[in-house]
This record gives sequence, C-alpha cells and structure tokens, in this order.
Amino acid sequence: GESVGLHLPTLSVQEGDNSIINCAYSNSASDYFIWYKQESGKGPQFIIDIRSNMDKRQGQRVTVLLNKTVKHLSLQIAATQPGDSAVYFCAEKVLGTYKYIFGTGTRLKVLA
Amino acid sequence: GAVVSQHPSRVICKSGTSVKIECRSLDFQATTMFWYRQFPKQSLMLMATSNEGSKATYEQGVEKDKFLINHASLTLSTLTVTSAHPEDSSFYICSASGGDEQFFGPGTRLTVL
Repeated sequence: GESVGLHLPTLSVQEGDNSIINCAYSNSASDYFIWYKQESGKGPQFIIDIRSNMDKRQGQRVTVLLNKTVKHLSLQIAATQPGDSAVYFCAEKVLGTYKYIFGTGTRLKVLA
Repeated sequence: GAVVSQHPSRVICKSGTSVKIECRSLDFQATTMFWYRQFPKQSLMLMATSNEGSKATYEQGVEKDKFLINHASLTLSTLTVTSAHPEDSSFYICSASGGDEQFFGPGTRLTVL
C-alpha cells in the first residue's frame, strides 16, 4: 500500500563521506524500482533504477542494491557533496500496472 | 528523459473556488498520466491515473467529483480542484508514463485561503 509518514527521517553525513539510504518496499510482486531526489518545492528527479531480475546497478557516483528476499532497496552515494542535500524517495512499480508506490522518504543533510 | 511541464507553478485561491492545473508532456505522447498529491514532509500519494480519451481511474479515498481530471489529448492532462477548501492546500505533481518509466513535472503549489 501507500507509505505516508508524519515526518521524514534524516541522515546527516560529512561532505566527502559515502551515504547509504535505505528503503523497505511493500509488494513482493513489484518488478521495477526507482530512486528519486526531490529538492524543496520541486518535482522528483530520477537518479537510478533497477529491475527485479538484478541485484545491483551502478551509475555515476550512485549504486542501487536490491534484496528481494527481505524486500529491501538501498541507494549508495559515493563522496557525498553539498548538492546532494535533498529528500530521497524510493518507488516501486507493481507487476502488471504502470502505477508507482512511493516510500516515506529520507532527508539527506550534507555537513561541510 | 522526457520533459513534463505544469502550469501554474503556484496558485492561491479563495475557499469555494475551483482551480485548474495543467500537465503537459512536451516531447512525447503520453496515453497515461498520473496525478499525485504531496503534503509537507510527506511522500507522494497517487490520486488518479489519467487515460487519454477515457475516464480517469481514482485511488481509494480520492473523490472523483472533487478532483476532476481531463486527458483530452496525448500531451495534456488537467486536474481541476472543485470547491477548494484549506485542507486541499498541497503540492500537486503530475507524471507522464513512458511504459515502466514515469517522467515527473515540477509540481504546482496550491494554497487555499
């Protein structure tokens, strides 16, 4: 089902360190997963995606890991920069539909 | 990725009035668009699926008579919030479907006084 939170968990990291943001997804039938970055007052911005037949996918400075056994998705950001400060959402697409279910989100704060 | 625009980006209206928000797919044709609502410090909640040439499909708990959706062309979907009330104040975001991928608009901030 949909995930709605009363507040966003926050992850604070030092500039230059690696960040790991986690997400527990809801539906074992989901076949496509996406990470989005959202800055204040803006729409979601695509970061990276992964299909259910994969365990890991790498992009530029970002890596997504998928563990279907425990329905867990993570986003790793290498050498975190101040521009990475934002709210990060995972989304899952349920097999047989084009609808997305969004996770609760995590606020990433990069400390100088 | 594809470009999706929304208009207006920000709107303030009086309680009881209706507000129309446009979502345009600028560089591809989208038979399916989605409308989301996002309250402060919360996640995106899917409101409805907009299908070109047919009626929208609403998620459970979303009033179809209050949130009117029209998808008259392959590049334009509109969301009309009818008889708006302060509790309708929110950030409304649309997306255009390109198969599994969705391309999101920049959002519309609605404030109902």
